[in-house]
Parts: sequence; structure tokens; C-alpha cells
Amino acid sequence: AQSVTQLDSQVPVFEEAPVELRCNYSSSVSVYLFWYVQYPNQGLQLLLKYLSGSTLVESINGFEAEFNKSQTSFHLRKPSVHISDTAEYFCAVTNTGGFKTIFGAGTRLFVKA
Amino acid sequence: NAGVTQTPKFQVLKTGQSMTLQCAQDMNHNSMYWYRQDPGMGLRLIYYSASEGTTDKGEVPNGYNVSRLNKREFSLRLESAAPSQTSVYFCASRAVTDTQYFGPGTRLTVL
Repeated sequence: AQSVTQLDSQVPVFEEAPVELRCNYSSSVSVYLFWYVQYPNQGLQLLLKYLSGSTLVESINGFEAEFNKSQTSFHLRKPSVHISDTAEYFCAVTNTGGFKTIFGAGTRLFVKA
Repeated sequence: NAGVTQTPKFQVLKTGQSMTLQCAQDMNHNSMYWYRQDPGMGLRLIYYSASEGTTDKGEVPNGYNVSRLNKREFSLRLESAAPSQTSVYFCASRAVTDTQYFGPGTRLTVL
């Protein structure tokens, strides 16, 4: 069975500081990996994803994540955060060719001025 | 292009009442999903429909039923609501790129 563990439930950080949100997964088969972001009172939207190819993937707003197969991790990083990055971030995994997606419990990122 | 729409946005029920949550997508996606979101638990899959005419149970199907009415619409029914079903419910559809697109959610309170 698949599972996703987000190691931090809340991450407070000052504006312009770097941040890392940690995600580990377990699966016995090949997977696709995702980070979704949820702003207050909204649905989730895709931030970035790894399907195949380069293990480092980037979003349009400066986030990046690296697929590490040996450590079964997909940590999300940003070198300099903005107030507008305050949101909840969800790591998710899907079996290659499968239909079900398993989500982590979420990490609430709070950026302080 | 509305994406994924859900109705209603808010609902309050009494224990034992029934209701149907409606979801529609206009992106011609084959797969659709119903999730519930509870604090500290992320999103949990209730039911999904891989394609029109098929539905399957997810992690937490008890107390729910679904109908894939056509390719656009996927409804979730609570036959006899219980306080444990107080949650935020999200519908999503999945593109061929494996990205899921989510609706704005329905906040349900069962008293």
C-alpha cells in the first residue's frame, strides 16, 4: 500500500528566507509525485509534478522539488519566500498508470514579515 | 472555461437527513474524484470514477454513494448524514497529464 508522510505540520518562516517542506513516500511500484498548494478557502491547485526524466522539477513561481528514489523523498524548496506563499502545501503520490492519488496530511507554511 | 464546479458551497444538515453534492467539469476529462478534507488528515479519497459508466471505492466510502451521470457530472450522496461526515468535500477531475483539477469545495456541517 502507498503512503505519504509530510514531516512538518507547520513551518513558520520570515519573508525572504529559504524554506524546505519535507515529503517522504512509500510504494512498491513506480510512482508519479506531486505538490499541490491550497490558499485559504480555495481548492487545491498543482504546484509542480514529477512524472519521469529530470529528477529536479520547478514551478513558475520559484519552487522546486527533487525526486530522490533511494530516499523515497520529494522535498519542496524555495530559496526566498514571499508573504504571498502563505498557504497549505500537500504532497501526493500516484502509481504509474493508476487512478488513485494518496495525499499527505499537509504542511501549513506561514511567512512572516 | 469554468473548470470544476461544485454545488452547494455550504450546507448544514441534521443527523439522518440526506443530500446530494453536485460536481461538473467542462474539460472533457475521463476521471473524476470525490475527496473529504479534515484538519490534520489531508485529503482522503471517498470514491472515484475512472471513466464514464464506472465507479470505485476509495479509502473512506462508508456512508456515501456516487453516480457518474455522464462524462461531465459526478455526484456524491449522503443517504443518512452523521456528525462524523462534517467536513469539506472536494470534487476533482484528472487530465491525461495526471494533473488533478479541483473544485472550490463544499463545507458540510452535520448537527
